[in-house]
Amino acid sequence: NAGVTQTPKFQVLKTGQSMTLQCAQDMNHNSMYWYRQDPGMGLRLIYYSASEGTTDKGEVPNGYNVSRLNKREFSLRLESAAPSQTSVYFCASTPTGMTYGYTFGSGTRLTVV
Amino acid sequence: AQSVTQLGSHVSVSEGALVLLRCNYSSSVPPYLFWYVQYPNQGLQLLLKYTSAATLVKGINGFEAEFKKSETSFHLTKPSAHMSDAAEYFCAVRDSGGYQKVTFGTGTKLQVIP
Repeated sequence: NAGVTQTPKFQVLKTGQSMTLQCAQDMNHNSMYWYRQDPGMGLRLIYYSASEGTTDKGEVPNGYNVSRLNKREFSLRLESAAPSQTSVYFCASTPTGMTYGYTFGSGTRLTVV
Repeated sequence: AQSVTQLGSHVSVSEGALVLLRCNYSSSVPPYLFWYVQYPNQGLQLLLKYTSAATLVKGINGFEAEFKKSETSFHLTKPSAHMSDAAEYFCAVRDSGGYQKVTFGTGTKLQVIP
């Protein structure tokens, strides 16, 4: 019963490097989300996917791209990392419907130097 | 867009004392409200949720929250704090339209003093 699995857990990048954060869920959830968490700012939505085959921008999409590879997997890509993207990134999933909460992964701590 | 405001970024209580974490929402329609807890270096975990079935909602670990429409509030309480309650707590509201995404408050860190 893995829930939401994120890889890697930690990453250090140099400015300008690229990387992909992976997320997979095994709960057959339709919707998946990427958030970033910064001190004093709560969680801010980067991108979301309401269902397989669809993706949409959230509050802070600049500098990121996403792919909903299939129902299970939703990846987040940084094409050219910047120090401002130093953050903790969380993936979450939920079934369709207003009454459901999210299930979160354990996060990826990214540092861009 | 719907939003939530958490009053107090840090709250300290003594072990055994009442825990009260405040959350106010802004919504023009009946909201769906949630409380999440985050322990150090972990993801967020759902504590409880309000989905209009009952105004007093009970969650895990002895927490509960009361939905008060007249005050647009959804405060989180626990009668007696335990050391293991030390964590960050997030109030959140789910959009009624669009893709039903969740908007989080800025969080309240709870410190429990022995």
